[in-house]
Amino acid sequence: DGGITQSPKYLFRKEGQNVTLSCEQNLNHDAMYWYRQDPGQGLRLIYYSQIVNDFQKGDIAEGYSVSREKKESFPLTVTSAQKNPTAFYLCASSRLDSYQPQHFGDGTRLSIL
Amino acid sequence: LAKTTQPISMDSYEGQEVNITCSHNNIATNDYITWYQQFPSQGPRFIIQGYKTKVTNEVASLFIPADRKSSTLSLPRVSLSDTAVYYCLVGDPSSGTYKYIFGTGTRLKVLA
Repeated sequence: DGGITQSPKYLFRKEGQNVTLSCEQNLNHDAMYWYRQDPGQGLRLIYYSQIVNDFQKGDIAEGYSVSREKKESFPLTVTSAQKNPTAFYLCASSRLDSYQPQHFGDGTRLSIL
Repeated sequence: LAKTTQPISMDSYEGQEVNITCSHNNIATNDYITWYQQFPSQGPRFIIQGYKTKVTNEVASLFIPADRKSSTLSLPRVSLSDTAVYYCLVGDPSSGTYKYIFGTGTRLKVLA
């Protein structure tokens, strides 16, 4: 079954710690994305990547970092510089054709202890 | 940056047709319009996508006027399970084809 796997589903962080959220896809998609969703709000783009070893900042990249060493993987690190990291994080992937929809994972909910 | 605007919320009764409109004044020539459905604590799920005129699939229809500055998602005969947030997605013409911006989302509540 092709799809996007995000892990873990729930994650807790102590203040001052970095945490890494995993996103893996087996859809052979070139593009991958990370979004943040706050309670009752829409999705905001953090980072996106169109090709291995390349990525671009989205609208709210401060306090986050990503890597794209493999086509199928796009991990997101929430650094200690992110002052308000509690949120629901969603990963997506898509083909590079503009008319292809994005496919989403089921998200990781990050909370501060 | 391209901006989209949707109604914040809508209520409907079971069995009715629901129409949700999204405004997107700065859509790029080659971009498509995509609608997603999201339930609480889940990732958005693709509903329908189109470029112009009308598109229909087994769950919804999408109407896009000639100027493409707006689109309307039509859900026929909604049920309680259609209660969700609906997002309109278009390409971002200022940042290239692959950076998409979600609309504000419309919270649809279906009443019995």
